Amino acid sequence: NAGVTQTPKFQVLKTGQSMTLQCAQDMNHNSMYWYRQDPGMGLRLIYYSASEGTTDKGEVPNGYNVSRLNKREFSLRLESAAPSQTSVYFCASSESGSYQPQHFGDGTRLSIL
Amino acid sequence: RKEVEQDPGPFNVPEGATVAFNCTYSNSASQSFFWYRQDCRKEPKLLMSVYSSGNEDGRFTAQLNRASQYISLLIRDSKLSDSATYLCVVIPNAGGTSYGKLTFGQGTILTVHP
Repeated sequence: NAGVTQTPKFQVLKTGQSMTLQCAQDMNHNSMYWYRQDPGMGLRLIYYSASEGTTDKGEVPNGYNVSRLNKREFSLRLESAAPSQTSVYFCASSESGSYQPQHFGDGTRLSIL
Repeated sequence: RKEVEQDPGPFNVPEGATVAFNCTYSNSASQSFFWYRQDCRKEPKLLMSVYSSGNEDGRFTAQLNRASQYISLLIRDSKLSDSATYLCVVIPNAGGTSYGKLTFGQGTILTVHP
């Protein structure tokens, strides 16, 4: 059971470089989310997509863009990476409805030098 | 006041012990509540939802107190494998701009030792 798959699992970037984090889910979920997790800060929502074709900002969207490519895939792009974006990034998905629990991918560890 | 607050611990308990965690939330309109578990360097995984009437899943019992705005998690007969960080999670509002937005507590670290 794949669930939520994230790629890559690890990445090191230089300041100013760009990259896209990929996320795909095979649970036929309508809603997808991107979080970052930093020590002492807990998990914070970056962007979410309530359904295919829609995206909205979360708590910490600055410096990021997202694309809901289709129902399965939701990507996160860093256009010009900054050291402050060093973090662990988690993608999640959930069934329709705002009260459903979310299922997480195993994360991308991103370091920006 | 943080939206969701947890005692960070750490809680160090022997195998077989009973341990309880509390979590308070600030938004009285919050609709959904969950406990997630996160192992070191792993993703959060849903442990259980928390229902108004309280619910139990094996050794785990979750309670919701809306009047006092807190939820709790009780673990009985602790196992070594229960060692993890337990995250209290709240969905603050019904739809609108809070659609599906989980608000996470900082987590409570539990270590179960032999």
